[in-house]
Order: sequence, then structure tokens, then C-alpha cells
Amino acid sequence: QKEVEQDPGPLSVPEGAIVSLNCTYSNSAFQYFMWYRQYSRKGPELLMYTYSSGNKEDGRFTAQVDKSSKYISLFIRDSQPSDSATYLCAMSSYGNNRLAFGKGNQVVVIP
Amino acid sequence: SQTIHQWPATLVQPVGSPLSLECTVEGTSNPNLYWYRQAAGRGLQLLFYSVGIGQISSEVPQNLSASRPQDRQFILSSKKLLLSDSGFYLCAWSSIQGAGNDEQYFGPGTRLTVT
Repeated sequence: QKEVEQDPGPLSVPEGAIVSLNCTYSNSAFQYFMWYRQYSRKGPELLMYTYSSGNKEDGRFTAQVDKSSKYISLFIRDSQPSDSATYLCAMSSYGNNRLAFGKGNQVVVIP
Repeated sequence: SQTIHQWPATLVQPVGSPLSLECTVEGTSNPNLYWYRQAAGRGLQLLFYSVGIGQISSEVPQNLSASRPQDRQFILSSKKLLLSDSGFYLCAWSSIQGAGNDEQYFGPGTRLTVT
């Protein structure tokens, strides 16, 4: 079983729809959770960073962590064509700067 | 603000040739530095990380090596490239803190094609 599982997609949605992405993980020591956005042929850009279970909002983006289920989610409201990218989840445990990444989920927002 | 640079942006090299990729960080001191490789369908693979000058940890046995000659400079090298070394190479940095974890910030990447 891989440490982090992420459905690679691709996921196509119409403009304005809600995009829902998720990752599951097996290591209960993970405490820090991140979502990165990567445009084609560019480096990943940090979108959200969360530490505890619950929700964190930043504009149109909401990150959700459920440690009991070992499940994290990213929601994008009012999706725009500029949100078309690959989204990677990443996580780490306390005192360990090595990140475990999902394989990434490609999202296409259709105008 | 902090900035991370990588060069070259793209590189085409023949099999057996040497490699040198450079990464520099501005606006921070004593960062953790990382080299990743991203291959299609395989996600991000951590190759090396460094917590200080001359301190390198290797994650995957391979024909690549890394060096950190200065606090904010990280170099990825190879003496002889293999076809399997093709990929998108990403440098990242994070702050060193006494407790907890810091998020990693990535550079623009170098796309390497070995022919």
C-alpha cells in the first residue's frame, strides 16, 4: 500500500462548478498536510497548508483534513479556466521535512 | 521575499555526457534544500536533501550526486547520464525551525531530455 493515494484523473468540470479532490494516506504519523497546484511545465506552487483536522479556507479554496479517516480534501468553488492544472497533495510527520506526495490529479475547467 | 532560481530551464544532453544543474535561493538563510525528479505518471521523487553546507542525504541510489558549496546554492550532478535520467528536475527549499514542519517551496524546474 502506497503511503499516499491520489486518483490521477483527469477531472473535467464546467466553469463555475465545484471541484472536489482528495487523497488518502496510510501513515497515522502524518500531521502536516499541503496542497500544491502545478501548471504544465512549471514548478508546484503551494496552495494550502494545514496542521489539524477540520477545514481551512482561503478565498475559493477549502482544505479539509479528517485524521480519523486518514483522508484529506481540496475544494475549489466557482472554478475558473485558470484553475486548470495538476493538483498534488503532500504530507509529513513531526520533525520530518520529507514530504510524501500523491501522484497528482489533473483538473480541466471548461469555459 | 524569498525567491528560488533554477537553471538551465531546459537541457538536451546525449547519453554518457555529464550534467550540472544549479539551484539558488534568495531572501532566506540556512534553508533546507531538496532535489526532486518528476517523471510522467510517477509523481515527485525525492533525490537529495540538505540541511546545511556540505551536508547531503541521498534518498535513492543512482548515478546522480548533489553538492551544497554555499548556504543557498544546491547543485545536482552526474558524470555520465543515462536515458532513464530524463525528467523534470525540481529544487525546493524550506525553513529550518525548532519544532513542527515547514512547507516546501519549489523552483521553476529544469526539463532534462537525455538522447
